Amino acid sequence: DAKTTQPNSMESNEEEPVHLPCNHSTISGTDYIHWYRQLPSQGPEYVIHGLTSNVNNRMASLAIAEDRKSSTLILHRATLRDAAVYYCIPTSYGKLTFGQGTILTVHP
Amino acid sequence: EAGVAQSPRYKIIEKRQSVAFWCNPISGHATLYWYQQILGQGPKLLIQFQNNGVVDDSQLPKDRFSAERLKGVDSTLKIQPAKLEDSAVYLCASSLGPMDLYEQYFGPGTRLTVT
Repeated sequence: DAKTTQPNSMESNEEEPVHLPCNHSTISGTDYIHWYRQLPSQGPEYVIHGLTSNVNNRMASLAIAEDRKSSTLILHRATLRDAAVYYCIPTSYGKLTFGQGTILTVHP
Repeated sequence: EAGVAQSPRYKIIEKRQSVAFWCNPISGHATLYWYQQILGQGPKLLIQFQNNGVVDDSQLPKDRFSAERLKGVDSTLKIQPAKLEDSAVYLCASSLGPMDLYEQYFGPGTRLTVT
């Protein structure tokens, strides 16, 4: 499994953009990059995933470096509901291996 | 669309007792997963089913944990006998198919406390 490095924690103010970085320098060429988040006392929730190109959906954008060794999850306007642990997960053979993730705190 | 259902939500047992958790995945989802999440850590995959067959159970402690998915729908996870270190949240997830192309939907989890 590819190893990931994420900041332990980040803080943001409400309605400001948030850029959550992830380093996955050992990723293989066929691994997708998935992002999940986990709100307090809930199961993880899918956010977005991509392979090589940048991706957008209603929740967030995913920017993938050209060499695929890093990616950034972008929340365009953080809300209090976005406070959660964010996991960056390169997937091998369809298997999710969660790391420690980044704890995002959003201030009103 | 109904989400992944799990029961019970909370369970407290003494060590050496047995316990079972139940999961009902989203209708039509062929792939089902059980995860263990210890406090302060990310979830760890215990077992993955494709329909009613086991795809991956490499991290399931088979001396005490067992899981089944009868008829390719509902699933149960059992621990017998429980140890103190089994205290965790047990999460069930389902997806249309294997992970790379399909997102996983997680249930609310069962919080197990072993005393």
